[in-house]
Amino acid sequence: DVKVTQSSRYLVKRTGEKVFLECVQDMDHENMFWYRQDPGLGLRLIYFSYDVKMKEKGDIPEGYSVSREKKERFSLILESASTNQTSMYLCASSFPPGGNQPQHFGDGTRLSIL
Amino acid sequence: GQNIDQPTEMTATEGAIVQINCTYQTSGFNGLFWYQQHAGEAPTFLSYNVLDGLEEKGRFSSFLSRSKGYSYLLLKELQMKDSASYLCAVRSGNYQLIWGAGTKLIIKP
Repeated sequence: DVKVTQSSRYLVKRTGEKVFLECVQDMDHENMFWYRQDPGLGLRLIYFSYDVKMKEKGDIPEGYSVSREKKERFSLILESASTNQTSMYLCASSFPPGGNQPQHFGDGTRLSIL
Repeated sequence: GQNIDQPTEMTATEGAIVQINCTYQTSGFNGLFWYQQHAGEAPTFLSYNVLDGLEEKGRFSSFLSRSKGYSYLLLKELQMKDSASYLCAVRSGNYQLIWGAGTKLIIKP
């Protein structure tokens, strides 16, 4: 089974802090994604990466950055946390698109910014 | 713009059948996915449709009509463990999925 592991299930940080969310996958997937999930809204893509050291902005990249130094690891960075970044953050990975290649998700990190 | 619509919430009875609809308007279409997400857990992949018609997988089936921009997920012989949110997502380009807000399904005994 595919395993996508996020470093924390729950995290509480303060406004202005630099926050790191880590994600590791064990299936040698090329593609990795960071989403946020808020009530009443669909998953919104923050950033994705289709290869090591490659990154692409998603729909809501403002206030975030990412790092992919190794194929299995994709990090999301909140440069200066703000209260409107309180959310559930989901990491996903997949093989390159083609046919029915689904995205596989981690359990999520529920982040609260106080 | 790109948009995916699903009902916010549905209620059904254990043992019954329920159909969850999804309509989409996207700039491209490279397949439609259905995911299940239990409260506090990760979304898990259920089904994929890229051609018109019905795909059956056990108690779950998914239908697609590309000309109508429409899909549905059919759940038969409902069980209490089917209480979850069901997410519809369209791959409109090469990498990105466009996600609906999800349908919360409540199963009553």
